Amino acid sequence: DVKVTQSSRYLVKRTGEKVFLECVQDMDHENMFWYRQDPGLGLRLIYFSYDVKMKEKGDIPEGYSVSREKKERFSLILESASTNQTSMYLCASGIGTGATGELFFGEGSRLTVL
Amino acid sequence: SQQGEEDPQALSIQEGENATMNCSYKTSINNLQWYRQNSGRGLVHLILIRSNEREKHSGRLRVTLDTSKKSSSLLITASRAADTASYFCATDANNAGNMLTFGGGTRLMVKP
Repeated sequence: DVKVTQSSRYLVKRTGEKVFLECVQDMDHENMFWYRQDPGLGLRLIYFSYDVKMKEKGDIPEGYSVSREKKERFSLILESASTNQTSMYLCASGIGTGATGELFFGEGSRLTVL
Repeated sequence: SQQGEEDPQALSIQEGENATMNCSYKTSINNLQWYRQNSGRGLVHLILIRSNEREKHSGRLRVTLDTSKKSSSLLITASRAADTASYFCATDANNAGNMLTFGGGTRLMVKP
């Protein structure tokens, strides 16, 4: 079974804390993505990566950074968490070159920033 | 900005009925995909339809694509309580590189 694993299902952090969300995939996919999901706003792309050490901004990169040191791992970093970053964060991986194919999602990480 | 918009936002039906969800998008696409999400979980891919295809089937799912109207529909036949979930369309726009853009989703409730 293909698998995308997110390190934490639920996190509670305080404003100003640094937050790491880890994502690992076992499918040798080139592309990895971080989305956030909020009620009424659907999924919005934060960052994506199409290769090791490569990253591209999505629609809402402000307040976030990412790291891809190994092909299987893509980390989302909140340098200084704020309450408006309370959300569900979804990691995904996929093959996509040109015409994007199927994405495989993790179970999500629900972050609450107090 | 959202490329795809689902309609309706919420749908409630009885078990055994068919459920139809629609998706409209704005720019030309390479393909359109449908995903399902159970409450509080990740998304699961259901079906992909390419821009040169008009209809595709997978089990109880039927997806149509009308590129002239920039719209797609997902039909779930003979629905079951277990089909209760949110359903999202996602488009791979021609000018969007390797990115999928998701709509806001349709929340489907199937009552037993």
